This record gives sequence, structure tokens and C-alpha cells, in this order.
Amino acid sequence: GNSVTQMEGPVTLSEEAFLTINCTYTATGYPSLFWYVQYPGEGLQLLLKATKADDKGSNKGFEATYRKETTSFHLEKGSVQVSDSAVYFCALTFNQAGTALIFGKGTTLSVSS
Amino acid sequence: DGGITQSPKYLFRKEGQNVTLSCEQNLNHDAMYWYRQDPGQGLRLIYYSQIVNDFQKGDIAEGYSVSREKKESFPLTVTSAQKNPTAFYLCASAAGPNTEAFFGQGTRLTVV
Repeated sequence: GNSVTQMEGPVTLSEEAFLTINCTYTATGYPSLFWYVQYPGEGLQLLLKATKADDKGSNKGFEATYRKETTSFHLEKGSVQVSDSAVYFCALTFNQAGTALIFGKGTTLSVSS
Repeated sequence: DGGITQSPKYLFRKEGQNVTLSCEQNLNHDAMYWYRQDPGQGLRLIYYSQIVNDFQKGDIAEGYSVSREKKESFPLTVTSAQKNPTAFYLCASAAGPNTEAFFGQGTRLTVV
């Protein structure tokens, strides 16, 4: 079946540190890949996406590259801020009717000053 | 403003009672979704709907029911058959497959 696996959290970093959150997927076909972010007590917001192999999604200093050969979509940021503290979800879906987003379990990031 | 609205934000229910969570969107999206979020479990799909008057079960549909009588609305009923209903419920909508999903602020349901 189709699934997403994220690294276990929590991830605890100091401000300005480099961030990597690993995400790998299993899919029957060629999915689109997403990163969503959830701030405390809120719903999810799209952070970035990539729809085909070798695409790089980027937003607010975050980046992720769709790697078909390693079935991965790791999230990176060069210098994190306290305001980046949140839960990050990796997700996939397919470009066909009747499909929904499939999420990983989420990774909690805590950044201290 | 365009968006997706869930109500109420907090909901308390006695065991054995049914309760309905509201989800309304004014984004003119065809697709709508309900997810359940539990600590350490991520988001699990309960039900989804691609068009009015049609919906499909997700991975954990048992003990839940939905309706889609209008494009804008996709209410979720948590029935007394749901064995462990205390959770954070998220509604989402999307223009179609492979597009960005927009989420509501969520409803936190607690069974007392």
C-alpha cells in the first residue's frame, strides 16, 4: 500500500541551527509530495510541494527535493528560528480522482533561543 | 474571506451520545475530507467526498457518518458506536486531486 514514514521526534535545536527532517514514502505509482506545518492548536498549512521527480519545493527558507531513486522528500532549512517551532507533516497524494492525502505521523520541532 | 470553518472549537459529549461536527467552506472546492488526529498517530482519514451527494470511507470510518448535501458543507457525526472518540478532528477541502488542501482550525472532542 501507500504510506509515508517520517523521522521520530521531537527534534530540539538552537536558533540558527540547520534542520533536516527525514521523510520517505512507499507508493504504487508516481505521487505528488507535500510538507504541511501545524502550529499549536491550529489546523495544517501547506509549506511546500513537489509534483515530479527532481522537483524542489521551497517556501520561507524551507526546501525539499523529490528523490525518486531513494523515495525520499527530506525537509531542510539552513537557519531555524524560534517561530519555526511546530509539528511538520510529510504527505503524498496522486493525480487521480478519488484520492486523499496520506500523512506521516508528524515530527515535532522545538527551537530555543 | 475565503476559507474553511469548523465549529465548535471544543466539544464535550457524554458517553452514548451522538454528536455532529460542522465543516463549511466558501472556496468552491469539490473535494472535502475529515481526518482524526491523535498524539503520535499523525492524521488518519475518516471519510472523504469528491462531489455533492457522494462520499467514501477512509481508513477509520467505523463509528462515524457523514453527509454531503451541499457543496459547501460536510458535517461529521460521531456516533455512540465509536469506541474511542476523544480526539482532534480536522476538516479539509481541495479543488481536486493533487492540489493543495486547506484545513480548518479543528474541533477538539472530549467524551466525559
